Amino acid sequence: RKEVEQDPGPFNVPEGATVAFNCTYSNSASQSFFWYRQDCRKEPKLLMSVYSSGNEDGRFTAQLNRASQYISLLIRDSKLSDSATYLCVVNINNFNKFYFGSGTKLNVKP
Amino acid sequence: DVKVTQSSRYLVKRTGEKVFLECVQDMDHENMFWYRQDPGLGLRLIYFSYDVKMKEKGDIPEGYSVSREKKERFSLILESASTNQTSMYLCASRSGALSYEQYFGPGTRLTVT
Repeated sequence: RKEVEQDPGPFNVPEGATVAFNCTYSNSASQSFFWYRQDCRKEPKLLMSVYSSGNEDGRFTAQLNRASQYISLLIRDSKLSDSATYLCVVNINNFNKFYFGSGTKLNVKP
Repeated sequence: DVKVTQSSRYLVKRTGEKVFLECVQDMDHENMFWYRQDPGLGLRLIYFSYDVKMKEKGDIPEGYSVSREKKERFSLILESASTNQTSMYLCASRSGALSYEQYFGPGTRLTVT
């Protein structure tokens, strides 16, 4: 079983829409959670960390549900520039071991 | 800005060849990583290093070795390349205990024929 599972999509949404992705993780000992963004043919870049109380950064909101072992990313007022693959990342109990989901592809259309 | 560079963007090698992938970071980070990225499988950790000459196996170390002789440089070595090692290889670095953020290089697309 994979440590981190994501719906690969693609999610095709119009500009201005709100879209949400979920990601589930299998290890209840998981400690830290992140969303990375990867543009086509580019390297992943950190979008935001996910805190237990949930956190927001502009149009992006991340939530953690430990009981059900999932994290979510909500994007409001989607822009064309939000088109990318969003990677869910989990750190278990080793400071240098990160588990990546295979990504959810988002296409924002005019 | 942190910069992580990789020696090649594209590489084509023959089965059985020894392959070196080089990664350099310019931010004095202690931790460096090698991942491979394959469709549907996401990024998988091959090896990481937390200090010069120190290394630890990741989840898929078989067929690979690494070298870290200087803090800024982390090399991935394929001793005898095989076709199932055709992949995108991504190097990353991370500073010390206070930050989890990983900074990635642009990747090397390796094809083994």
